[in-house]
Amino acid sequence: GQNIDQPTEMTATEGAIVQINCTYQTSGFNGLFWYQQHAGEAPTFLSYNVLDGLEEKGRFSSFLSRSKGYSYLLLKELQMKDSASYLCAALTGGGNKLTFGTGTQLKVEL
Amino acid sequence: GAVVSQHPSRVICKSGTSVKIECRSLDFQATTMFWYRQFPKKSLMLMATSNEGSKATYEQGVEKDKFLINHASLTLSTLTVTSAHPEDSSFYICSASTGGAQETQYFGPGTRLLVL
Repeated sequence: GQNIDQPTEMTATEGAIVQINCTYQTSGFNGLFWYQQHAGEAPTFLSYNVLDGLEEKGRFSSFLSRSKGYSYLLLKELQMKDSASYLCAALTGGGNKLTFGTGTQLKVEL
Repeated sequence: GAVVSQHPSRVICKSGTSVKIECRSLDFQATTMFWYRQFPKKSLMLMATSNEGSKATYEQGVEKDKFLINHASLTLSTLTVTSAHPEDSSFYICSASTGGAQETQYFGPGTRLLVL
């Protein structure tokens, strides 16, 4: 089966850096996505990793280690608007099916 | 680019009636669309994968006769919840894939269904 784990909740301070981890055990792995979801809204695409290493995009970076089944999302210079749920999703099954983790609810405080 | 719309955004219906939800890719052609269901404070659960011009592929445990999916064109897919019951109340989200190597899915704004 497919299994994706991430912490349920995290709290961080405005202006700080936070790292959200994700571990996965899947079959037919084709890449790892991170999405941001605000309450009551649809997820928005943040990043995609298919090769090992770090992908940087502005304040957000994402890392992947395929051998360890591990990824993280790094958010720098946190802002209040970054308070949201962050979803880790693996592209699996040899096709284009996304399997989502349960999401990490991030709360940014003053 | 890569905008996906859903209609309606909210719907309330009586138990036993059917509800149709539309998902459109506005600025790209989507060979594949996906339908998800999300319960409060839970992650997205894939219900079915829809390819243009062919029958949808349903995930295990999803009743295909209850959740009818039609992907009539490269920009439109519909989900019809038939004979809705209160337990069908949920947040339904569609996504569309641009295809290609990344297979990035872009999500619609979601439809909140409440069955009374």
